[in-house]
Amino acid sequence: DQQVKQNSPSLSVQEGRISILNCDYTNSMFDYFLWYKKYPAEGPTFLISISSIKDKNEDGRFTVFLNKSAKHLSLHIVPSQPGDSAVYFCAASEGSGYALNFGKGTSLLVTP
Amino acid sequence: GAVVSQHPSRVICKSGTSVKIECRSLDFQATTMFWYRQFPKQSLMLMATSNEGSKATYEQGVEKDKFLINHASLTLSTLTVTSAHPEDSSFYICSAGGRKTQYFGPGTRLLVL
Repeated sequence: DQQVKQNSPSLSVQEGRISILNCDYTNSMFDYFLWYKKYPAEGPTFLISISSIKDKNEDGRFTVFLNKSAKHLSLHIVPSQPGDSAVYFCAASEGSGYALNFGKGTSLLVTP
Repeated sequence: GAVVSQHPSRVICKSGTSVKIECRSLDFQATTMFWYRQFPKQSLMLMATSNEGSKATYEQGVEKDKFLINHASLTLSTLTVTSAHPEDSSFYICSAGGRKTQYFGPGTRLLVL
């Protein structure tokens, strides 16, 4: 049973524009959320995270928004760059555990 | 950032053989490591939690006798796929770190013929 869902398998955005990647979750016990970037045949690379006590976290071009009532989070990348093209995974954890529940990923393509 | 390595990066084996995959934390000690598996176009699925000095904790549906995990030191966890079958072909990834940041290895591509 997929507790973290990324309903858009792919997204195409022009360079310079904003990329918005969405993620929904069903487990209300999740209290920490992370975004990872992944290239084929490589391990995921950590991008940005957010605790459930916050509704926004920003790091450079990356901003994550959390809407707990809707059990929804999103990753905004602005401005998007061709090097951002990759698969983005949303992940969540609960309590004191470190194990992550991943979504299926969204493949982002940033075109020049 | 912290580095986690995996070896081998790619392995091809015959059905029925066993394959060992190593996961090392290179610049920090990890009492807990995680093993994930990813099938094509699917999410990373947690297989087991590797605990240094004690037995691994397996997720539901993962056969502990088939996927042997040994976490003998604070920097090394190994996953052995025993009597591998073609359906075990997948991308295996380990991770280590704290709750706020899990560092992932580069992954091991296993192909069982």
